[in-house]
Amino acid sequence: DSGVTQTPKHLITATGQRVTLRCSPRSGDLSVYWYQQSLDQGLQFLIQYYNGEERAKGNILERFSAQQFPDLHSELNLSSLELGDSALYFCASSPRGDPSYEQYFGPGTRLTVT
Amino acid sequence: GNSVTQMEGPVTLSEEAFLTINCTYTATGYPSLFWYVQYPGEGLQLLLKATKADDKGSNKGFEATYRKETTSFHLEKGSVQVSDSAVYFCALSAFYASGGSYIPTFGRGTSLIVHP
Repeated sequence: DSGVTQTPKHLITATGQRVTLRCSPRSGDLSVYWYQQSLDQGLQFLIQYYNGEERAKGNILERFSAQQFPDLHSELNLSSLELGDSALYFCASSPRGDPSYEQYFGPGTRLTVT
Repeated sequence: GNSVTQMEGPVTLSEEAFLTINCTYTATGYPSLFWYVQYPGEGLQLLLKATKADDKGSNKGFEATYRKETTSFHLEKGSVQVSDSAVYFCALSAFYASGGSYIPTFGRGTSLIVHP
């Protein structure tokens, strides 16, 4: 158990809908990362927050947004969902924003868009 | 941009065989390099890391050396076990000048299957 929790574990929704994925980092970790894992694209970095502020942005679509709250939990919002958004979404946390620190991954949320 | 290239799998070995999973990277500057492992149904977990050239990361019998001259970070283990069956990801974290931030980049993953 990495100490990172993600909810829900599974999510099935229809095209055009909006969903929110939630992540609670390990106790004491200030940095949260979001990733999308799919068979065709592999593991893609979406966005990083550090202590409530956006720190780095990767291949995140404009339909997607995220935020980190004062209690350091984070939410990833996916809107106008398309079939191609079906994937496993991972959250990871790290003690600081330093890139040499390891990341601790949650178990993931499997999103299925029908 | 930055990239990580791993050998395609699956890699299938018998127990106690020697393992090598190749990883090469493209990055500006001096990235930190990582190997993560993903067991079925779980998230990734760090296996080992190296933060500067010639560093050797090691853990649970696995090791990898940061080779800047060949931009490589190959994963090795002298004697694999059935319990090592998993997907292995090579990753780097490097500075993107255009964005002013460090971006993590992962390889596609290599599936390892170890038979008794």
